[in-house]
Amino acid sequence: KQEVTQIPAALSVPEGENLVLNCSFTDSAIYNLQWFRQDPGKGLTSLLLIQSSQREQTSGRLNASLDKSSGRSTLYIAASQPGDSATYLCAVKGGGADGLTFGKGTHLIIQP
Amino acid sequence: DAGITQSPRHKVTETGTPVTLRCHQTENHRYMYWYRQDPGHGLRLIHYSYGVKDTDKGEVSDGYSVSRSKTEDFLLTLESATSSQTSVYFCAISESSAVLEAFFGQGTRLTVV
Repeated sequence: KQEVTQIPAALSVPEGENLVLNCSFTDSAIYNLQWFRQDPGKGLTSLLLIQSSQREQTSGRLNASLDKSSGRSTLYIAASQPGDSATYLCAVKGGGADGLTFGKGTHLIIQP
Repeated sequence: DAGITQSPRHKVTETGTPVTLRCHQTENHRYMYWYRQDPGHGLRLIHYSYGVKDTDKGEVSDGYSVSRSKTEDFLLTLESATSSQTSVYFCAISESSAVLEAFFGQGTRLTVV
């Protein structure tokens, strides 16, 4: 059974810092990995999708990498802003028609 | 934003009553999913659908049933609600099971008293 772990569970940093969120998964046979953002009381917003054949994806200040063989992904946030405060979720997609397996998330607070 | 609407957005119901949650999409995506989100557990898959009338169980399907009679609608039914089913329920859609992104609705907060 696939298991996804996100470290750290919570993180509080001053505005302007570059930071890295970590995601690991136990079964490397994945089709893709997706990073989401969730604001309190809201749904999930897709940030980046990395296919299993890709090594990284970038969107603005966000960069996600994937090392499928070691079962790891990182989400790099450059020049953090208070508006980046949210919970960040990592999810992997295995074979078949079933859905994503999620980590429990990293709760991020950016201090002004 | 992907066209996904969940209804109702909030509901309080009594133990033992039936409850149906609706997910409606305007994207014509083939795959639809129901997840629940609970503190300490994250999001877990309840049921999913890979086409009209084609559904299957996820990780936490006990006490839930689903139906999909049209591409755009995916219904989640709690036949007899229990307090353990108090949760936030999310619907998701995807055009492809493996390659493309999954998009999520805004969620339904269900409280069973």
